Amino acid sequence: AQKVTQAQTEISVVEKEDVTLDCVYETRDTTYYLFWYKQPPSGELVFLIRRNSFDEQNEISGRYSWNFQKSTSSFNFTITASQVVDSAVYFCALSESYGGATNKLIFGTGTLLAVQP
Amino acid sequence: EPEVTQTPSHQVTQMGQEVILRCVPISNHLYFYWYRQILGQKVEFLVSFYNNEISEKSEIFDDQFSVERPDGSNFTLKIRSTKLEDSAMYFCASPDATQYFGPGTRLTVL
Repeated sequence: AQKVTQAQTEISVVEKEDVTLDCVYETRDTTYYLFWYKQPPSGELVFLIRRNSFDEQNEISGRYSWNFQKSTSSFNFTITASQVVDSAVYFCALSESYGGATNKLIFGTGTLLAVQP
Repeated sequence: EPEVTQTPSHQVTQMGQEVILRCVPISNHLYFYWYRQILGQKVEFLVSFYNNEISEKSEIFDDQFSVERPDGSNFTLKIRSTKLEDSAMYFCASPDATQYFGPGTRLTVL
């Protein structure tokens, strides 16, 4: 069965600190996708990144970076030099993929990040 | 970024009433999904829809729920007789490989 664990319920940092959000997943599939979404207080789900199971390269996008490690089934997300606008709930999610289509997402419980000025 | 729209943004209803939540997915996408998020909790899969029929549903998606694509563009989620525990945010998703989500409909059942 698929499962996503985000062990950090809440994290509080001061602006300009770096912060890493952890995500550990379980799946029996060899082909799958991993996602991160941001949910600001307004409630919408904002797509941040998708990574397929065959691509273990780390990715950097501005202040955001992602570390995918298949050996430990982890897909961690780091925000460098955090800003108040980064305050949100962050969800990690997993989906199987077959036939070229994306299956349903299985979400973790989310991590609430509070960035203090 | 392609846009998925949902209406209404907020719906308040009395327990036992029927509600219909609407979604306009990204055109040319074949798969559509509904998810639910109870306040403060994780996002949960409800149902997937492909080629005008349900392809998969979760245990949450009981007989009170139904989905339709009435006119080839809109995609609806109907709850026949709402309960207090149906109060949640409902998201429509129109995926390719990225799972674009609509802005959500906040349903409040009184």
